[in-house]
Amino acid sequence: GENVEQHPSTLSVQEGDSAVIKCTYSDSASNYFPWYKQELGKRPQLIIDIRSNVGEKKDQRIAVTLNKTAKHFSLHITETQPEDSAVYFCAASKTSGTYKYIFGTGTRLKVLA
Amino acid sequence: DTAVSQTPKYLVTQMGNDKSIKCEQNLGHDTMYWYKQDSKKFLKIMFSYNNKELIINETVPNRFSPKSPDKAHLNLHINSLELGDSAVYFCASRRRGQTSTDTQYFGPGTRLTVL
Repeated sequence: GENVEQHPSTLSVQEGDSAVIKCTYSDSASNYFPWYKQELGKRPQLIIDIRSNVGEKKDQRIAVTLNKTAKHFSLHITETQPEDSAVYFCAASKTSGTYKYIFGTGTRLKVLA
Repeated sequence: DTAVSQTPKYLVTQMGNDKSIKCEQNLGHDTMYWYKQDSKKFLKIMFSYNNKELIINETVPNRFSPKSPDKAHLNLHINSLELGDSAVYFCASRRRGQTSTDTQYFGPGTRLTVL
């Protein structure tokens, strides 16, 4: 069935270093890949997304890359700051049919000051 | 920030009780979702409605019954609550059919604790 694997489950980095979170999806028809950030006790909020017709997208310190052939996509955060500490979720979706998101299992990122 | 709202924010109740959670969105979206987030933070889709029509119904006990009186509202009723129902329940919404806006927007969540 549809599945999204996300690694690592926890990630600790020093402030200023980069963080990379990787996801692999199973449904080759997936064409929309959002990333959500969830701070403690808060709702998941979209931080960046990418569609299957694009290989890379950047927004200031965050970027997402997509390899459709390998069915991989990754979140890159550069110059990490303590406020980047949160749980990050990737998801894969098809922009047709039920538009169901399949979420990854989450990565708890800790940025150490 | 109040585009998708849920009530109540916290719900503490005894096993066996029946409870409801309400969700409203003022974004003009036509598709709404219910997710369950357990203690391990896994986000699992439960239901989705599009224009008051049920379009996603995952393997959820039939004690859970969603109801969508109109496009802007999606409520979740839970009968005979069990300990394992304790979780945070998130409502979400999106505008279906517009490829420029595939994003789902989440509500603030309802933390349900069953004692």
